[in-house]
Amino acid sequence: GNSVTQMEGPVTLSEEAFLTINCTYTATGYPSLFWYVQYPGEGLQLLLKATKADDKGSNKGFEATYRKETTSFHLEKGSVQVSDSAVYFCALSDLGGSARQLTFGSGTQLTVLP
Amino acid sequence: NAGVTQTPKFQVLKTGQSMTLQCAQDMNHEYMSWYRQDPGMGLRLIHYSVGAGITDQGEVPNGYNVSRSTTEDFPLRLLSAAPSQTSVYFCASSKQGGTNYGYTFGSGTRLTVV
Repeated sequence: GNSVTQMEGPVTLSEEAFLTINCTYTATGYPSLFWYVQYPGEGLQLLLKATKADDKGSNKGFEATYRKETTSFHLEKGSVQVSDSAVYFCALSDLGGSARQLTFGSGTQLTVLP
Repeated sequence: NAGVTQTPKFQVLKTGQSMTLQCAQDMNHEYMSWYRQDPGMGLRLIHYSVGAGITDQGEVPNGYNVSRSTTEDFPLRLLSAAPSQTSVYFCASSKQGGTNYGYTFGSGTRLTVV
């Protein structure tokens, strides 16, 4: 079946530091990959996505590249801000299993200090 | 445009009570899902629907029922609440499933079963 393994948290960084959150996946088909962000007390918001190998998703300074050879989709940002403090979830979706539903990683709590 | 609306936001139940978590979307999305979020476990799929009149089980369906009589609404019923169902519940919808489109999430229902 499908699974997503995410870097354990919590992660604490100083403002303007470089961020990497690792994500690897196992899937039976050719999944689409996503990063979602959850701010305190809110639902999940789509941050970025990639639908095929070598695609790069980007949004708000965050980037992730779909690496089929390493089954990875690591999230990066060159300079984090206090407002980036949130929980980040890696997720996949494919046509197998539960018909295009999302399989999530366990989430990584990021705290950015001023 | 309200997106995905969940009610109530908070609920406390006694063991054995029943209740319905409401979810409505106004985006004419075909796909709708219910997830539960527990600490350290990410989000797990409870039930999902690919259109009105069609529902199926996800990863953790026991103790929950769903129905989809209209495109807009997808209520989740707890038949006899148990402390193990204490969690945060999220409803999500998507135009054609998560493969090429992200899901839009509601703001969640925090349920405590005592």
